[in-house]
Amino acid sequence: SYVLTQPPSVSVAPANTARITCGGKNIGSKSVHWYQQRPGQAPVLAMHYDRDRPSGIPERFSGSNSGNTATLTISRVEAGDEADYYCQVWDGSSDHVIFGGGTKLTVL
Amino acid sequence: EVQLLDSGGGLAQPGGSLRLSCAASGFTFSNYDMTWVRQAPGRGLEWVSSTSGNGRSTYADSVKGRFTVSRDNSKSTLYLQMNSLRADDTAVYYCARDRRSSLTRAFDSWGQGTLVTVSS
Repeated sequence: SYVLTQPPSVSVAPANTARITCGGKNIGSKSVHWYQQRPGQAPVLAMHYDRDRPSGIPERFSGSNSGNTATLTISRVEAGDEADYYCQVWDGSSDHVIFGGGTKLTVL
Repeated sequence: EVQLLDSGGGLAQPGGSLRLSCAASGFTFSNYDMTWVRQAPGRGLEWVSSTSGNGRSTYADSVKGRFTVSRDNSKSTLYLQMNSLRADDTAVYYCARDRRSSLTRAFDSWGQGTLVTVSS
């Protein structure tokens, strides 16, 4: 079955850039979606179709996907960005959904 | 405004059953696939099941044969019938609106979640 690999944690100082990666075999051939989950809250779609921002998501959030790695980039990081971030893809052959293990973003 | 309200969680014994509900509003429910995702305490997100507008369903291997997803489009409500519950089914269960296309599934609105605890 398809596996998505994320770093357990990423730390960044305020105003700097955070990059959260999601690794998978030939993930560049799939559409990758990202979810932000703040403590005690439900997930929120933060990026879809690799690089499209849903309404309400700041322009500081961007995405890319190529080869074996998809990346969620958060520029000018703020304290409010501190959350868990999950990548997600769809396996069309089985019609199953796969989530990455999640990355905890800590703002120093 | 899209709203999803999860309910039905609680304490169940191993081997027992529970039915979750998700009441939807703010969109034409029958036009959308819907999905259940769960999150065990302190763990990541795990996809459970998805169902199309006309009731075609798919399940994670971990719940197949034990859980059944259904929907009542007249009531804009999604259900998850959980049988033969095990301790490792303990989790917060979220329903989500599913923007399924020919290429992918993505979940653009989520319920607040309902906690299921399986314990004797």
